[in-house]
Amino acid sequence: GQNIDQPTEMTATEGAIVQINCTYQTSGFNGLFWYQQHAGEAPTFLSYNVLDGLEEKGRFSSFLSRSKGYSYLLLKELQMKDSASYLCAFVNQAGTALIFGKGTTLSVSS
Amino acid sequence: DTAVSQTPKYLVTQMGNDKSIKCEQNLGHDTMYWYKQDSKKFLKIMFSYNNKELIINETVPNRFSPKSPDKAHLNLHINSLELGDSAVYFCASSQTGIGTGELFFGEGSRLTVL
Repeated sequence: GQNIDQPTEMTATEGAIVQINCTYQTSGFNGLFWYQQHAGEAPTFLSYNVLDGLEEKGRFSSFLSRSKGYSYLLLKELQMKDSASYLCAFVNQAGTALIFGKGTTLSVSS
Repeated sequence: DTAVSQTPKYLVTQMGNDKSIKCEQNLGHDTMYWYKQDSKKFLKIMFSYNNKELIINETVPNRFSPKSPDKAHLNLHINSLELGDSAVYFCASSQTGIGTGELFFGEGSRLTVL
């Protein structure tokens, strides 16, 4: 079957570094994705990993280990505006849509 | 110009009514989707359309019917609304199929069924 697991909530302080983990189970792996969703807004694409390793994009980095079914999103130099839900996702078995995890709500405090 | 636009943004209606939500994208994308986000923020795929052909339907009740007059539009029609249909419905599009997974979402339509 297909399954995604990520923590429900996390808290951190401004300027800190936070790592949001995601474990997944799927057959026919076609990439692991991270999306950001601010309260009351639409999800927006953050990153895509299809090969093992770290992809860095500014303050955000995403890591993938296919053998372990594991990914994480690393957020550096946290800002208040980073308070949002972070959704881990992968492509469904038919290769036709993204399946999202339940999201991790990150609260950044000063 | 808004890339993916949905109307209405808010919809409050009674149980048993029929309602539609419209979606339009001006990105020239080939594939459009409808997702439902429930009160627990779980984002779940409902439908996707690729060049006007329905390619998935994830165990959605047949009270829900997507309609696509052309590849820039994917409307969602819901018959006989139930309390459990209350949610935020997001339309999204991608260039060609799921590709690298970059979906562009509309702002969402919050449906409340009383």
